[in-house]
Amino acid sequence: DAGVIQSPRHEVTEMGQEVTLRCKPISGHNSLFWYRQTMMRGLELLIYFNNNVPIDDSGMPEDRFSAKMPNASFSTLKIQPSEPRDSAVYFCASRSGTVDEKLFFGSGTQLSVL
Amino acid sequence: DAKTTQPPSMDCAEGRAANLPCNHSTISGNEYVYWYRQIHSQGPQYIIHGLKNNETNEMASLIITEDRKSSTLILPHATLRDTAVYYCIVRVWGGGYQKVTFGIGTKLQVIP
Repeated sequence: DAGVIQSPRHEVTEMGQEVTLRCKPISGHNSLFWYRQTMMRGLELLIYFNNNVPIDDSGMPEDRFSAKMPNASFSTLKIQPSEPRDSAVYFCASRSGTVDEKLFFGSGTQLSVL
Repeated sequence: DAKTTQPPSMDCAEGRAANLPCNHSTISGNEYVYWYRQIHSQGPQYIIHGLKNNETNEMASLIITEDRKSSTLILPHATLRDTAVYYCIVRVWGGGYQKVTFGIGTKLQVIP
């Protein structure tokens, strides 16, 4: 298995632009998580899905952030409009849920908003 | 999920055993202890988990005290590649709809 795949690996954009981050979970996993990591705040959970349904989005910082999971093999995290304080590494993780509780993380997207 | 407390940083000499402690005094009977690590610029990686018995795999050993209020992750022969942030998490097996949150973790520096 290729593991959790995130794209792009790096994204540099200007303030006010729309940013879309993508995630392909491990096939067969039914839970998906989006995390954000900064030096100041560490690893923060933004939102997670179970069976493609958003369960808890209380970690989403503002209405500028939105996440979708149209099917079991794809999820997006969108920021519109982006701001410099959104600069961070964004990780996606998936979990089997039925087999065990282990989380498998992608390599992350390094986002820089200028 | 029960909260965990870890020291913010530790050093370990290369080749020696690294013992990383975690306190989880409010753990409930059906909560497991999980350990992950994050090597710089990579996503966190699962290491090991346990309920009440000691566990060992190819990466590490997990020792859980009899009262389950604390645990220790042991890297038997630390290498430079083990330099990372180590996270201790407790959560219910089959938690399903429960979110998974990470604390600050312990930054382990393996010294040559």
